[in-house]
Amino acid sequence: SQTIHQWPATLVQPVGSPLSLECTVEGTSNPNLYWYRQAAGRGLQLLFYSVGIGQISSEVPQNLSASRPQDRQFILSSKKLLLSDSGFYLCAWSGAREQYFGPGTRLTVT
Amino acid sequence: RKEVEQDPGPFNVPEGATVAFNCTYSNSASQSFFWYRQDCRKEPKLLMSVYSSGNEDGRFTAQLNRASQYISLLIRDSKLSDSATYLCVVNPYSGGYQKVTFGTGTKLQVIP
Repeated sequence: SQTIHQWPATLVQPVGSPLSLECTVEGTSNPNLYWYRQAAGRGLQLLFYSVGIGQISSEVPQNLSASRPQDRQFILSSKKLLLSDSGFYLCAWSGAREQYFGPGTRLTVT
Repeated sequence: RKEVEQDPGPFNVPEGATVAFNCTYSNSASQSFFWYRQDCRKEPKLLMSVYSSGNEDGRFTAQLNRASQYISLLIRDSKLSDSATYLCVVNPYSGGYQKVTFGTGTKLQVIP
């Protein structure tokens, strides 16, 4: 069966510091992968999606970037965090119809 | 108009009650529909897909009304463990890459 991992689970970072969040998927090949952010009390916002290695599409202009160096690895990065980057970051993969989420990373920018 | 709209609630219901949530969507060409459940500070988890003819999974029943552009979720015999936020999800595509739209969720609190 497929599983999706994210780390770290929680992170507290100062404004202006870099960020790297990792997501890996097991049990499937060539999955579509997604990064979402959920701000406190708000809905899920799609940040990036990827349909294959090195293929990244950005949905929202921002100071974040994503990379997919391997088939089942998806990385979210920032060179300099802003206060507004705080939130719950979720990685997901999709099958034929549904999306399945990892456990998420809760990021607090101070 | 938002792409997907849900009543945020909270819906406070006693154990054993029946509760229903609606979700409206604006894109009449939307292809597939889902309900997810999200517990506090956890990731969303797929509850059920919604099929055109309606579908049932135990105490949960999902319905789709394309003419009025809404989907519904009915929960019978509510349990304390049903307390969560229920997210409506709409996918305008039939397959492949899925740029789905999530509603902001309806909060359910089942009271002893």
